[in-house]
Amino acid sequence: SAVISQKPSRDICQRGTSLTIQCQVDSQVTMMFWYRQQPGQSLTLIATANQGSEATYESGFVIDKFPISRPNLTFSTLTVSNMSPEDSSIYLCSVGDGTWGYTFGSGTRLTVV
Amino acid sequence: KNEVEQSPQNLTAQEGEFITINCSYSVGISALHWLQQHPGGGIVSLFMLSSGKKKHGRLIATINIQEKHSSLHITASHPRDSAVYICAVRGATNAGKSTFGDGTTLTVKP
Repeated sequence: SAVISQKPSRDICQRGTSLTIQCQVDSQVTMMFWYRQQPGQSLTLIATANQGSEATYESGFVIDKFPISRPNLTFSTLTVSNMSPEDSSIYLCSVGDGTWGYTFGSGTRLTVV
Repeated sequence: KNEVEQSPQNLTAQEGEFITINCSYSVGISALHWLQQHPGGGIVSLFMLSSGKKKHGRLIATINIQEKHSSLHITASHPRDSAVYICAVRGATNAGKSTFGDGTTLTVKP
């Protein structure tokens, strides 16, 4: 299965700033998935990132807040924009087959102060 | 009611004990996934099931499609098994979207 390198592993950010999270995969994959896990809760899919097209966002998530790039088949970024304390979560990328991811990155633990 | 329900929410065991974590779901699925999340946040895929039973080392996962239920068993538990175990299902409809359970926090004491 694919190996994913996710950076940063954690960060503490000021309110109103933005953070970009990177995921690098060691093989070419069609679909990459971005998840959020708020404290004490399970994973929620933010969006599905396809190479060469706009990401598909789930209900409750918008591109202005969570812009995603997918420049090639091995790399994607998720930006958390204009952050507030409510954005404090673990963010994970994932790759898999066409409908869900089953290999996960190590996660980015974000704290907004 | 969540589409995916896990029990128990928290579980503490002594080293060596046999562990069972349950997952019930209410929707039609094409596959079910057991994941392990370590304290640092990283997630590891343990099993993906669509029927029957799978075994990997001390871990066993079973699924009963008719009863919409799956179990994850850990034999001879060890403190390094301490983690959050998450059940996720891939829907048979709704474009195969995935739904995650809230997780079971397992602590194995030496």
